[in-house]
Amino acid sequence: GESVGLHLPTLSVQEGDNSIINCAYSNSASDYFIWYKQESGKGPQFIIDIRSNMDKRQGQRVTVLLNKTVKHLSLQIAATQPGDSAVYFCAERDDKIIFGKGTRLHILP
Amino acid sequence: NAGVTQTPKFQVLKTGQSMTLQCAQDMNHNSMYWYRQDPGMGLRLIYYSASEGTTDKGEVPNGYNVSRLNKREFSLRLESAAPSQTSVYFCASSETPSARQYFGPGTRLTVT
Repeated sequence: GESVGLHLPTLSVQEGDNSIINCAYSNSASDYFIWYKQESGKGPQFIIDIRSNMDKRQGQRVTVLLNKTVKHLSLQIAATQPGDSAVYFCAERDDKIIFGKGTRLHILP
Repeated sequence: NAGVTQTPKFQVLKTGQSMTLQCAQDMNHNSMYWYRQDPGMGLRLIYYSASEGTTDKGEVPNGYNVSRLNKREFSLRLESAAPSQTSVYFCASSETPSARQYFGPGTRLTVT
């Protein structure tokens, strides 16, 4: 069946550097993708989304890139801050939303 | 708006006890969901309700029942709790079944 996965379970980044979190998806029919952030002890929160007719979308300090050729999604966080420390999930939609397992982003001082 | 609220925040049960987790949303969303999240694993869908009056099984429905009480409320019931049901439970809602989901703060359940 279709699956959404992440390349790395944990990513450590120096404060101030840019973070790149990757996600692979297998369902070529997926038309919508979402990134969520989950801080410790809280529920997932929406960060940014992108539709399959786009390859890039920018938000405040975050950018999502979509490469449909290789079925790859990435989340870039600029100037990573301590408050960015969290687990990040990607999700894809075909007829329903499917969540990946998450990548933990750890900020080094 | 409070968004999605869940009660209780924490609960400890003994094996065999029953309990109901409550969820409410004030965004007038049609669809609601219950997930469980275990360490090192992603969100796994237990049950969902695409619209008021309907409920469907998700990936891991065994041992659970749900009730879509009205458009706002969707409860999850454990009839006879088991240690394997120790987990963090999240409720979510969305405008439609394929729209992005908004999550509650979670209920941390421990079954001893």
